[in-house]
Amino acid sequence: EAEVAQSPRYKITEKSQAVAFWCDPISGHATLYWYRQILGQGPELLVQFQDESVVDDSQLPKDRFSAERLKGVDSTLKIQPAELGDSAMYLCASSFSDRPKNIQYFGAGTRLSVL
Amino acid sequence: GENVEQHPSTLSVQEGDSAVIKCTYSDSASNYFPWYKQELGKRPQLIIDIRSNVGEKKDQRIAVTLNKTAKHFSLHITETQPEDSAVYFCAAVKDRGSTLGRLYFGRGTQLTVWP
Repeated sequence: EAEVAQSPRYKITEKSQAVAFWCDPISGHATLYWYRQILGQGPELLVQFQDESVVDDSQLPKDRFSAERLKGVDSTLKIQPAELGDSAMYLCASSFSDRPKNIQYFGAGTRLSVL
Repeated sequence: GENVEQHPSTLSVQEGDSAVIKCTYSDSASNYFPWYKQELGKRPQLIIDIRSNVGEKKDQRIAVTLNKTAKHFSLHITETQPEDSAVYFCAAVKDRGSTLGRLYFGRGTQLTVWP
């Protein structure tokens, strides 16, 4: 069964450093989502792509976060500089399209710890 | 936006008992309601979903009900087993507007099933 791939699984960094996370969605999925999950809470959307275009980045802290999906396939989420409050699980999900009936499949996530 | 409230935050039951988790949503534009199960350290996985034109859906020991008028939906697990222990998230998805396809999650319910 195809899965959403994410790397790295764990990342420890010091504040003010730059970090990057990578996501490879299920083949053929046009819509890609990055979520942030703080311990004890539900995931919250950071950015949504439709193919290579950003369709929703209203919750992305654009002063330090950036995301790209240049060829409409895999995606990178970057934080620069990292802050203590960025410690969380970063989940990537993909779906066939953005229609509500299309199931979102999640990756295993990248757990970020900022020291 | 959309605000999804989920209760309870923790739930402990004896093996074989039933468990019920309740969610409410605020935006009448939401018309798709998935439930995800997240075991410790693992990715969220879809376990059941319901669309707004259906009042109830059942899959073996799991059922979901939806009351669109009251804007609430519930997850019911019967004959619980220890392997049902996990965090369960409800979510709502809109079918129109700028946030098409975006999952709005509840805060999660930690279900513990004691043998």
